[in-house]
Amino acid sequence: GAVVSQHPSRVICKSGTSVKIECRSLDFQATTMFWYRQFPKQSLMLMATSNEGSKATYEQGVEKDKFLINHASLTLSTLTVTSAHPEDSSFYICSARPPTGQIYEQYFGPGTRLTVT
Amino acid sequence: AQSVTQLDSQVPVFEEAPVELRCNYSSSVSVYLFWYVQYPNQGLQLLLKYLSGSTLVKGINGFEAEFNKSQTSFHLRKPSVHISDTAEYFCAVSGPSGGYQKVTFGTGTKLQVIP
Repeated sequence: GAVVSQHPSRVICKSGTSVKIECRSLDFQATTMFWYRQFPKQSLMLMATSNEGSKATYEQGVEKDKFLINHASLTLSTLTVTSAHPEDSSFYICSARPPTGQIYEQYFGPGTRLTVT
Repeated sequence: AQSVTQLDSQVPVFEEAPVELRCNYSSSVSVYLFWYVQYPNQGLQLLLKYLSGSTLVKGINGFEAEFNKSQTSFHLRKPSVHISDTAEYFCAVSGPSGGYQKVTFGTGTKLQVIP
């Protein structure tokens, strides 16, 4: 149980275009979802926390107008990278917490590799 | 705010040998500590966690970790590794500054088990 999927697993887009990444909790409802970004040889950096039906809370330094997060249902959150540039190329990982889970509990998706050319 | 340091980016070890992956944390308050494993093309999976109580924590796949408050460490150990343990391992911490909800990760240690 507690499976989280991400789609797509890899995406290549041209500079200036937007790309949407989906995060789904497959066998549980997720009231809270998290989005992380991972650079090579660096740790996962939390970008934002989203609660179903409300606006996401972004970490300091993360541009909310560039990284649009929508958590419209209890099983789906999307991250849209708007007007992508090569420096946005990274590995994006989402995680989800069930409503009955412990505060620290998170189940992770496999990640999405974004390459902006 | 809390942070974790994983000094070893890569650890090669022969099959059936013991291994220790090091993790040090920095925090002046009570924290929760975690080890996650990431196999290729898969999401992070929780190996074990320390919340309170016994300082020796046992996890899945034969791994264990010991919480040492005086040394601010939470090293991960396994007495005999298998090829299937080849993966990347992340130490992580959460604390009261983020309501224990925000988890801060280390940079990861790639464990390479050599046949």
